[in-house]
Amino acid sequence: GNSVTQMEGPVTLSEEAFLTINCTYTATGYPSLFWYVQYPGEGLQLLLKATKADDKGSNKGFEATYRKETTSFHLEKGSVQVSDSAVYFCALSGDSGGSNYKLTFGKGTLLTVNP
Amino acid sequence: DAGVTQSPTHLIKTRGQQVTLRCSPKSGHDTVSWYQQALGQGPQFIFQYYEEEERQRGNFPDRFSGHQFPNYSSELNVNALLLGDSALYLCASSFNGLYLNYEQYFGPGTRLTVT
Repeated sequence: GNSVTQMEGPVTLSEEAFLTINCTYTATGYPSLFWYVQYPGEGLQLLLKATKADDKGSNKGFEATYRKETTSFHLEKGSVQVSDSAVYFCALSGDSGGSNYKLTFGKGTLLTVNP
Repeated sequence: DAGVTQSPTHLIKTRGQQVTLRCSPKSGHDTVSWYQQALGQGPQFIFQYYEEEERQRGNFPDRFSGHQFPNYSSELNVNALLLGDSALYLCASSFNGLYLNYEQYFGPGTRLTVT
């Protein structure tokens, strides 16, 4: 079945540092890939997505590129802010068979950004 | 435009009891999915409802059941509660459009504690 593996946290950075959170996946066919963010005490918010190979999703300074050859979708941001402190989840959904509607999530990576 | 709403926000139940959680999808959405998020883990897919029928189900026992109403809102029912059912229950809505890999928008969740 489908699975997502994220780098384990927690990750602690200083403000304006460069962020990378690694994500690799196992799936049949051609899934869509997502990054969700969860702030303390809240539900999940979609951060960015990519639906086909070599697509780059971007939002709020975050970027991730769908790499089918390495089955990866690493999240990056050039300069993090204290307000980026949250838990980040990599997820995938769908395949070429058209019968997989669910989102499959990684375990999440806690990011703390210090001033 | 209201997003996904869930009720109640918090709930405390005793082992063996039954619970019903409710979800109203984002305006324009017709599909509702339910996820269970244990503390420190990624969300796990429970099931998805479309056209008032369960379309896909994750690896959860029959104690977990659901319903979708004609207005697309949904309920999640859990019978014979176990301590291990304590978790954040997330509802996500989406639109079953032309593309299968559609985005899911999450509600804030219901925190269920079983004592």
